[in-house]
Amino acid sequence: LPVLTQPPSASALLGASIKLTCTLSSDHSTYSIEWYQQRPGRSPQYIMKIHSDGSLTKGDGIPDRFMGSRSGADRYLTLSNLQSDDEADYYCGESHTIDGQVGYVFGSGTKVSVL
Amino acid sequence: QLVESGGGVARPGESQRLSCEASGFTFDDYGMSWVRQSPGKGLEWVAGIDWTGVTSDYADSVKGRFTISRDNARNSLYLQMRSLRAEDTALYYCVRGGFLGPSDYWGQGALVTVSS
Repeated sequence: LPVLTQPPSASALLGASIKLTCTLSSDHSTYSIEWYQQRPGRSPQYIMKIHSDGSLTKGDGIPDRFMGSRSGADRYLTLSNLQSDDEADYYCGESHTIDGQVGYVFGSGTKVSVL
Repeated sequence: QLVESGGGVARPGESQRLSCEASGFTFDDYGMSWVRQSPGKGLEWVAGIDWTGVTSDYADSVKGRFTISRDNARNSLYLQMRSLRAEDTALYYCVRGGFLGPSDYWGQGALVTVSS
């Protein structure tokens, strides 16, 4: 099964930028991934998909200050002009088919604190 | 909108069925999934089903015990859970997509607690 690795926590000052990382296992390094935000006590919300060619598909209402990018096996979510409302857990996820079996795997999530 | 129902307390070994009623989009245009989150933990994909209801797949942790199904005429998704275990205790989210596609809309979740 693919593995998506995320650091457990990250923090930055209000108004600053923060770059979150999701590292794909080597055998899935070219795959597309999605980013999700889960605010405390709320359901997850889809942020965007980073396609294998680096293009982005954003979810409804996602502001321009949320940007995605990729480099090798790493997928990034950059939040600019951090707001207090951005304090949340951020998960990456990947859809895959292995031996004809469809599945989806999430990273363990990164908790973002806005200082 | 996705609205789950059917959660509650079950004893180990018992069964429970979750339902999800969808509205605001063309239900049979989308694959659907169930994703769960144990208290204080991360997200775990549980099962997914294609738009026709013919093809489905499961996480290894629930394979053989859980069955996902859908009724496109009723705009509804279901999760039949059997042989419940304590480790199945979680908030279960109904999700649009998540089956060969992004999980782009999530319900508010249905809590399932398995305890003796």
